[in-house]
Amino acid sequence: AQSVTQLDSQVPVFEEAPVELRCNYSSSVSVYLFWYVQYPNQGLQLLLKYLSGSTLVKGINGFEAEFNKSQTSFHLRKPSVHISDTAEYFCAVSDNNDMRFGAGTRLTVKP
Amino acid sequence: NAGVMQNPRHLVRRRGQEARLRCSPMKGHSHVYWYRQLPEEGLKFMVYLQKENIIDESGMPKERFSAEFPKEGPSILRIQQVVRGDSAAYFCASSPSRRGGNTEAFFGQGTRLTVV
Repeated sequence: AQSVTQLDSQVPVFEEAPVELRCNYSSSVSVYLFWYVQYPNQGLQLLLKYLSGSTLVKGINGFEAEFNKSQTSFHLRKPSVHISDTAEYFCAVSDNNDMRFGAGTRLTVKP
Repeated sequence: NAGVMQNPRHLVRRRGQEARLRCSPMKGHSHVYWYRQLPEEGLKFMVYLQKENIIDESGMPKERFSAEFPKEGPSILRIQQVVRGDSAAYFCASSPSRRGGNTEAFFGQGTRLTVV
């Protein structure tokens, strides 16, 4: 069975600064990787996903993530954040039978 | 094409009452998942259902909780004799095919249950 670890529970950052939200996974089989975003009092929506091909994946709102198989990581990055990026971010890993979510990282963007 | 619809959005119940949470999956989706999100915690998987079948209920508490996804109508998550610790946001997700693989799950807006 796979597992997902989001290394930071909270990440405070100033507006226009770069940000990286870390995600590591463990699995004995090939996986698919997802990042979801949850704005306050909302459900989760897909930010981006890695299925195959290029290891650098671009998503909505200027976010991107890089799949690193040797490091079993799928870190999410944005070069310059906005106040509106304040939200909870969830990394998810899927294999042939299951999808598991990390505990989430709360990104707070300060003016 | 409407997304995953959950109702009610907010539900208040007194201790000992029953709570019924409804989820209508996206059109064409026959796989439904329920998750619970406690304050300051992540998403916890509860149950995975297909039409008329429970596939995986490994995350469901053994007592007071039940789920169904009938042939017609929405999926229902039922909590009997609610306690304060049941207060949480409950999210439903759906997908067009079985869990896992490259299938993306689509989430509803959640039902926020408050037990007073």
